[in-house]
Amino acid sequence: GDSVTQTEGLVTLTEGLPVMLNCTYQTIYSNPFLFWYVQHLNESPRLLLKSFTDNKRTEHQGFHATLHKSSSSFHLQKSSAQLSDSALYYCALTGGYKVVFGSGTRLLVSP
Amino acid sequence: DAGVTQTPRHEVAEKGQTIILKCEPVSGHNDLFWYRQTKIQGLELLSYFRSKSLMEDGGAFKDRFKAEMLNSSFSTLKIQPTEPKDSAVYLCASSLGGADTEVFFGKGTRLTVV
Repeated sequence: GDSVTQTEGLVTLTEGLPVMLNCTYQTIYSNPFLFWYVQHLNESPRLLLKSFTDNKRTEHQGFHATLHKSSSSFHLQKSSAQLSDSALYYCALTGGYKVVFGSGTRLLVSP
Repeated sequence: DAGVTQTPRHEVAEKGQTIILKCEPVSGHNDLFWYRQTKIQGLELLSYFRSKSLMEDGGAFKDRFKAEMLNSSFSTLKIQPTEPKDSAVYLCASSLGGADTEVFFGKGTRLTVV
């Protein structure tokens, strides 16, 4: 079945440094949708951005990601981390009939 | 529009008790999910419904966890009997269904089993 892999459980950064959270996926479907959800402390996950188009950059709220079907990747990036970016980030995939979430990466940004 | 509504927000149960968590999905959504969220395991899928039909019931959780969807606007998750290891946040989520649809999460129920 479909699967999503987020290799880092925890990423710690100093404010101002670039962010990159890894996401790779497996699916038999040729046209999957990939998503990033963000969950701040004491809140529920909410959609951050999504993509369907191969090799096209998608941006939202300062974050961006590019779906690369050749490498089955959808890494989340930001040029400069802010303290408010500290949160739990989930990568998700819809290939077949339902959404599949990765295990999540906690991002901690310190001053 | 109302989002996903979960009740109660907090529940404390004694080991061996039966508890029922409730969820009202976003009106018009076809897909409903129950997840358990812990720091160690992340999001674990407990049950998945499409148009009220149970599509998946998260194999490892079958014996003591039962989700039902009696109508399109209400779902329950019963845990019977509860065990201390069930202490977690239980999230209900819904979506329109289909590949391009956003999943909307409720605020969750924090369950503590003592």
